Amino acid sequence: NAGVTQTPKFQVLKTGQSMTLQCAQDMNHEYMSWYRQDPGMGLRLIHYSVGAGITDQGEVPNGYNVSRSTTEDFPLRLLSAAPSQTSVYFCASSWGQGIGELFFGEGSRLTVL
Amino acid sequence: DAKTTQPPSMDCAEGRAANLPCNHSTISGNEYVYWYRQIHSQGPQYIIHGLKNNETNEMASLIITEDRKSSTLILPHATLRDTAVYYCIALSNDYKLSFGAGTTVTVRA
Repeated sequence: NAGVTQTPKFQVLKTGQSMTLQCAQDMNHEYMSWYRQDPGMGLRLIHYSVGAGITDQGEVPNGYNVSRSTTEDFPLRLLSAAPSQTSVYFCASSWGQGIGELFFGEGSRLTVL
Repeated sequence: DAKTTQPPSMDCAEGRAANLPCNHSTISGNEYVYWYRQIHSQGPQYIIHGLKNNETNEMASLIITEDRKSSTLILPHATLRDTAVYYCIALSNDYKLSFGAGTTVTVRA
């Protein structure tokens, strides 16, 4: 049982490049979400999904796209990377009734030059 | 969701109980109080949550005041591995859970 798996763990991009952060969970969770954490700050919600085919915006959605074609996967796309998107990104999942216990991945550290 | 207020930092002696306060004076009747912690740069870890009654699990106890305007997370016997940032969150039955700055807890030998 792997839990929540994020790839890659580290990535360096140049301004304007695009990339996708992958997130997969094997717990059959309906709810999945993406957060970013800047140095010395708490986590801010980017996008979330309450089930396959359903996504919604969180607190800081600009510059990011998501889709949820399967229950297991919830990729986060950066369309045109900017230095302001340098951050650590966390994916999380839960059963979905309210929130309950959120299970987090290990994080993906992104640097945009 | 109601705003929560936590002290920015606190120290605790190893082996002693750590009492972490959280104010949520604007909490509404259907909002739960959740606690998470984040060790180093790892993903946050769920600790406990409650609505009205006090709760206890293998990690901690959660004491919620009768008026629900504040709560206390108790780590009964703090160890060095409990050094972390602790987040208190008030959340209704929606899906937009975000984390504030939390309390940095340092357990000292």
